[in-house]
Amino acid sequence: AQSVTQLDSHVSVSEGTPVLLRCNYSSSYSPSLFWYVQHPNKGLQLLLKYTSAATLVKGINGFEAEFKKSETSFHLTKPSAHMSDAAEYFCVVSPPAGGSYIPTFGRGTSLIVHP
Amino acid sequence: KAGVTQTPRYLIKTRGQQVTLSCSPISGHRSVSWYQQTPGQGLQFLFEYFSETQRNKGNFPGRFSGRQFSNSRSEMNVSTLELGDSALYLCASSPGQGIRNGYTFGSGTRLTVV
Repeated sequence: AQSVTQLDSHVSVSEGTPVLLRCNYSSSYSPSLFWYVQHPNKGLQLLLKYTSAATLVKGINGFEAEFKKSETSFHLTKPSAHMSDAAEYFCVVSPPAGGSYIPTFGRGTSLIVHP
Repeated sequence: KAGVTQTPRYLIKTRGQQVTLSCSPISGHRSVSWYQQTPGQGLQFLFEYFSETQRNKGNFPGRFSGRQFSNSRSEMNVSTLELGDSALYLCASSPGQGIRNGYTFGSGTRLTVV
């Protein structure tokens, strides 16, 4: 069984300040974890993924996430927010290869960036 | 390289009708997964097709069905539409089965049932 919880439904930051979007997961196996971003009226775009290699994962557009097994967390960070980062962000947990292949999406965190 | 193409982008249907949505994956991708996105339920997995076979199915009623063709293009069908079927329907393609290989999403079909 697996689940994912995005701890904040909305996060508001000022342009140029750091971004932290929080994600906790629950899994009975060693999962794969992903962050996706969705801009209005668009599909989802992959930001980064963790698949049991390095625990600090770097993604596109300056985002990164750290896999912390002891805390069952996979928080997304960015040192300096840009107006174009305003979007919906989804944390995703997936079984390892050979499992059911059905991923579970978090409910999303809306990132608001103020000028 | 062309992305994932979903058609149509917008649809308005009447309750009780049926609808067919189309998804053309990235060339060379053999897996297509379908999701329903609503404000209340978020993103929910419908089904996945790989090499023309349904490999996984989410917890949706039998009114929701799909298929995949030999060129990997996929269609999903919803019969006897209900108001609650109003949603953004997203498809995602990947080279192999599941999200581990990386999903590429289309822009979705916005279905409104009136």
